[in-house]
Amino acid sequence: RKEVEQDPGPFNVPEGATVAFNCTYSNSASQSFFWYRQDCRKEPKLLMSVYSSGNEDGRFTAQLNRASQYISLLIRDSKLSDSATYLCVAHTGRRALTFGSGTRLQVQP
Amino acid sequence: EPEVTQTPSHQVTQMGQEVILRCVPISNHLYFYWYRQILGQKVEFLVSFYNNEISEKSEIFDDQFSVERPDGSNFTLKIRSTKLEDSAMYFCASSPDRGLGNSPLHFGNGTRLTVT
Repeated sequence: RKEVEQDPGPFNVPEGATVAFNCTYSNSASQSFFWYRQDCRKEPKLLMSVYSSGNEDGRFTAQLNRASQYISLLIRDSKLSDSATYLCVAHTGRRALTFGSGTRLQVQP
Repeated sequence: EPEVTQTPSHQVTQMGQEVILRCVPISNHLYFYWYRQILGQKVEFLVSFYNNEISEKSEIFDDQFSVERPDGSNFTLKIRSTKLEDSAMYFCASSPDRGLGNSPLHFGNGTRLTVT
């Protein structure tokens, strides 16, 4: 079983739509979680950390469900510039970050 | 905003040759990493480095790979005898701590390695 699993997509949505991505992780000892964004052939960039209580940053909302080992990212009012691959990332103890394969989002005009 | 810088941006080499990929981490960061991403695949961890020694490495990081921090600023990844399957984007990253907190890793813009 993959350590961090994501639906690869692509998710094709119109501008202004709300879209949600899900991610599951297999290691119950994972402590910290993040969403990164990666544009084509570019480096991953931190989008936001994910906290147990849920957190929001503008149009982006992240949720963590430790009981189900499930993380989500909600994007409201999608913009063309949101088109990218969204990487779910888990951090376990002293180990390095583990990346999911990413979910591709294409926002269409 | 301080950045992680990597050189070269693209390296083409022949199979069996040695390559050195270079990185300058953010100056006050203490932890350094190499990740790679084969085209169309996920970002994979190679190695982490702290206090002048390897703190963790993955199964990918075999004897043909080595890392070094030769001076106070550079962090290098050497691949001793490149194979076709080493072709990938190699990302250097640094962090002030072990990846906890709001900004766990700062990535460089990568070196695309093409082995022919």
